[in-house]
Amino acid sequence: NAGVMQNPRHLVRRRGQEARLRCSPMKGHSHVYWYRQLPEEGLKFMVYLQKENIIDESGMPKERFSAEFPKEGPSILRIQQVVRGDSAAYFCASLPGLNNEQFFGPGTRLTVL
Amino acid sequence: RKEVEQDPGPFNVPEGATVAFNCTYSNSASQSFFWYRQDCRKEPKLLMSVYSSGNEDGRFTAQLNRASQYISLLIRDSKLSDSATYLCVVRVRGNQFYFGTGTSLTVIP
Repeated sequence: NAGVMQNPRHLVRRRGQEARLRCSPMKGHSHVYWYRQLPEEGLKFMVYLQKENIIDESGMPKERFSAEFPKEGPSILRIQQVVRGDSAAYFCASLPGLNNEQFFGPGTRLTVL
Repeated sequence: RKEVEQDPGPFNVPEGATVAFNCTYSNSASQSFFWYRQDCRKEPKLLMSVYSSGNEDGRFTAQLNRASQYISLLIRDSKLSDSATYLCVVRVRGNQFYFGTGTSLTVIP
């Protein structure tokens, strides 16, 4: 059973471009979380999704950021018109249901030039 | 007030030492508790869940005090490989997870 997969592992974008980060949860996991981690800082919750539904997006900036978890395929975190302050590591985590611990993917390191 | 607070450290201890980390949480409705370990530039990995009665896994012991709303992690006989950042994680109602900022541990030869 493969773990949580994220791609790309490293992504470089210029200011104003779009960044698309993908997360494939573990097999059988229907819950996905996205977190952002700035250098030397802790994990910050962004959004929690179940298949086809956004459950909690309270940690996600209102503008430029969106997330989806379609019925088929990976979860996508999309950042439009990236700025330098978006440079960070973005981790996703999945779990099979309630009352379970989270399993993390290896992260995507976004660098905005 | 933050949902979860940890002493950021750093803790620098010699090999073989015993070290303890504490973590406090603010929401009395918190339901599940975990310790994760994060190595530099890697993803967090579950170290252990924390149960009400306390639990032990080899050199690691976790305790939960619901009355005082704190969680502890004790590491005995520290190894060089224990050097990492230790994250306290709390699950509140539903599937809301809150992470502490982490406590940095360096075990020195």
